[in-house]
Amino acid sequence: EVQLVESGGGLVQPGGSLRLSCAASGFTFRKYNLHWVRQAPGKGLLFISRITADGRETKCADSVEGRFTISRDNAKSTLYLQMNSLGPEDTAMYYCVRLGGSDPFDHWGRGALVTVSS
Amino acid sequence: DIQMTQSPSSLSASVGDRVTITCRASQGISSDLGWYQQKPGRAPQRLIYAASSLQSGVPSRFSGSGSGTEFTLTISSLQPEDFATYYCLQHNSEPWTFGQGTKVDIK
Repeated sequence: EVQLVESGGGLVQPGGSLRLSCAASGFTFRKYNLHWVRQAPGKGLLFISRITADGRETKCADSVEGRFTISRDNAKSTLYLQMNSLGPEDTAMYYCVRLGGSDPFDHWGRGALVTVSS
Repeated sequence: DIQMTQSPSSLSASVGDRVTITCRASQGISSDLGWYQQKPGRAPQRLIYAASSLQSGVPSRFSGSGSGTEFTLTISSLQPEDFATYYCLQHNSEPWTFGQGTKVDIK
């Protein structure tokens, strides 16, 4: 069974940092591009970041560029999102996702809630 | 960035109704579009990929069509478990972008 399990969410003060992890199992982790998608409370879905299978290329949304960094450890089958300079606008559920695009393999984790508040 | 505009933003329908949701892209995206369903408190699940291919395990009452800039998701006969929010996602050009969502609730 494919699983993506996020951890590391929580309450952080404005200006603070947090690192999310996503432990993957049930598929060949090193073969697939992976993504982070977030959803603010009561709002829609927003692409945050993408990393290629080999980890060499990354892409971030403009709203988090320079503050968030996506990375992966293929030996540990784990995806990461380092989030710095957090503001209240970053409060959201963060999903670790294999977005399939034109490929049939598409899977979402249950999400990690990040709350930025003083 | 490519903007994805869904319509309507919400609709009320009855069990058994035929429901159609539209997604328009700000520029042509070929068939690089997927449809997702999200129920409250749950992660989204993909229903359709490549505009018209049914995701494995998804009931056949769901179908997708379109190419270029206009796409539709159709539910042929709405079931109680289909009341949810639906999103389109374009993957033609980075950053990939979602539509704003269409909430389907009970009339």
